[in-house]
Amino acid sequence: AQTVTQSQPEMSVQEAETVTLSCTYDTSENNYYLFWYKQPPSRQMILVIRQEAYKQQNATENRFSVNFQKAAKSFSLKISDSQLGDTAMYFCAFMKLTYNNNDMRFGAGTRLTVKP
Amino acid sequence: NAGVTQTPKFRILKIGQSMTLQCAQDMNHNYMYWYRQDPGMGLKLIYYSVGAGITDKGEVPNGYNVSRSTTEDFPLRLELAAPSQTSVYFCASTPNGVTNEKLFFGSGTQLSVL
Repeated sequence: AQTVTQSQPEMSVQEAETVTLSCTYDTSENNYYLFWYKQPPSRQMILVIRQEAYKQQNATENRFSVNFQKAAKSFSLKISDSQLGDTAMYFCAFMKLTYNNNDMRFGAGTRLTVKP
Repeated sequence: NAGVTQTPKFRILKIGQSMTLQCAQDMNHNYMYWYRQDPGMGLKLIYYSVGAGITDKGEVPNGYNVSRSTTEDFPLRLELAAPSQTSVYFCASTPNGVTNEKLFFGSGTQLSVL
């Protein structure tokens, strides 16, 4: 079974600074996807960034980037130039890459607060 | 384009009551999912469906039932509500299993069982 661990229940960062959220996972699979989802107070789940395990290059989406270490099974999220709107719960998630896949596993989340 | 629509947004049930959480998507997605999110926790999969007429259990199915009579709708049924089912429920969908790399979520239903 796959498990996802987020060891930081809460974090805070000053506006315009950089913050890194940690995520580790446990799997015996070789092909999979990793995700970071953002959940603001509105409760809507928003995809922030996605990484395919077969790609060595770290994914980047504007101010969001990941540090994917496959051997270490680590998938951290770096938010640069933090903005007040980045305040939210952030969930790391894992999904196997198989046909008819049906299960995405989520970590417990990290609550990020961006301070003005 | 409405995406994934969940109703109701909030509900309070008494122990033993039953209710149906509605979920509809207008993106013609084959795959649909029900998750629950307990306070301070990540999402856990309750049931999923890979197409109309096909459903299967996820990680935490006990106390719930689902049906998928159409591609658009995927209701979640609670037959005998229990306090342990107090949670926020999310419905999600995605096009198909091969390119199943992004989930589209509804805005959630907050359920309290008292």
